[in-house]
Amino acid sequence: TQLLEQSPQFLSIQEGENLTVYCNSSSVFSSLQWYRQEPGEGPVLLVTVVTGGEVKKLKRLTFQFGDARKDSSLHITAAQPGDTGLYLCAGADSSYKLIFGSGTRLLVRP
Amino acid sequence: SQTIHQWPATLVQPVGSPLSLECTVEGTSNPNLYWYRQAAGRGLQLLFYSVGIGQISSEVPQNLSASRPQDRQFILSSKKLLLSDSGFYLCAWSAAVRRGVYFGEGSWLTVV
Repeated sequence: TQLLEQSPQFLSIQEGENLTVYCNSSSVFSSLQWYRQEPGEGPVLLVTVVTGGEVKKLKRLTFQFGDARKDSSLHITAAQPGDTGLYLCAGADSSYKLIFGSGTRLLVRP
Repeated sequence: SQTIHQWPATLVQPVGSPLSLECTVEGTSNPNLYWYRQAAGRGLQLLFYSVGIGQISSEVPQNLSASRPQDRQFILSSKKLLLSDSGFYLCAWSAAVRRGVYFGEGSWLTVV
């Protein structure tokens, strides 16, 4: 069974601080994806990383795929209250399935 | 552009009653379709996925079923709901799963 473990589960920080969220697995994935979800809405795709060691930047967000394609991290620089939400990582294997992690709930206090 | 819609947005059903949630995708053909369930504030559990009309793969044993009667229509059903079926149900589509999936608005189900 493929599992994706996210840490931390909950993070409360002050506006302007930096943070990193981790997504780890013992399985190899063909791609690792990050989503952000607001309460009562469906998750929205932020980024997809497909190559081991790949780094992608989206404004203040930096995403990295591990060299062995088993883990990923999301780093947010100078967090803002608008970054508040549930962050989900998801791994795609060689089939059609996409497996999600348990999520990291981020609260950025003004 | 592609769009995905699911309905109803909210429903309250008694234990033992049937269920039907519907999802449609526009602007693409032969999408991969998915049903997920989410417990409050947590990750998503894959329930079913479909790569073509009439092709359904089930991920967890349960009293739910899925059908794909048309290329861009995906239906989640139950003949008799259980209390444990309560949750937030999400339909999603993808052209290629490794590039990401796109979710509908979600359906809140409360079984009472």
